[in-house]
Amino acid sequence: SQQGEEDPQALSIQEGENATMNCSYKTSINNLQWYRQNSGRGLVHLILIRSNEREKHSGRLRVTLDTSKKSSSLLITASRAADTASYFCATSTTDSWGKLQFGAGTQVVVTP
Amino acid sequence: DTAVSQTPKYLVTQMGNDKSIKCEQNLGHDTMYWYKQDSKKFLKIMFSYNNKELIINETVPNRFSPKSPDKAHLNLHINSLELGDSAVYFCASSQVGAGVGNEQFFGPGTRLTVL
Repeated sequence: SQQGEEDPQALSIQEGENATMNCSYKTSINNLQWYRQNSGRGLVHLILIRSNEREKHSGRLRVTLDTSKKSSSLLITASRAADTASYFCATSTTDSWGKLQFGAGTQVVVTP
Repeated sequence: DTAVSQTPKYLVTQMGNDKSIKCEQNLGHDTMYWYKQDSKKFLKIMFSYNNKELIINETVPNRFSPKSPDKAHLNLHINSLELGDSAVYFCASSQVGAGVGNEQFFGPGTRLTVL
């Protein structure tokens, strides 16, 4: 069954605005990762947050993790047209040998 | 200096045929994966190999047979192709172990269309 569920399914914003998407999951995790997929391409790893971390930053990305609510959020600040892509959260458990459970993704369109 | 490569990029074939997809990684990772992404973009793991040994098999029909000749290669052979096999197949690799984040590196995907 699907572990992560992203919300919203689609997001349309203007360049310069912030984009926020959420991910909820069902079981205890070791870490949670966010990936980006441009149309027709493979997934690219963006950021990983461990279960004992609450917030992490990487450039214009900010990720939060609330293990009590089993949820995470990804914020992209000052979005650019090049940020147009699908964004996926993926969870990993300690005994899963690196297996990732992906959500269905949030499709983000940034209009110039 | 491609990290994870897959061939072919596109595969169009008739129902009932047998086909293979190849994957290679030059990252020195121990673990490789096959994922299937359906038309709704849902990505589901199929197999995982660690140092040439199968460690994850997610209840995939036995028409799908992965083979890992060495830890840098993981190929996927599909027998008796069905319409429902049409999807994009992604290969990925990572380093798995204690204290390692297991960030995965994905290939560009192989779009399989079964007619």
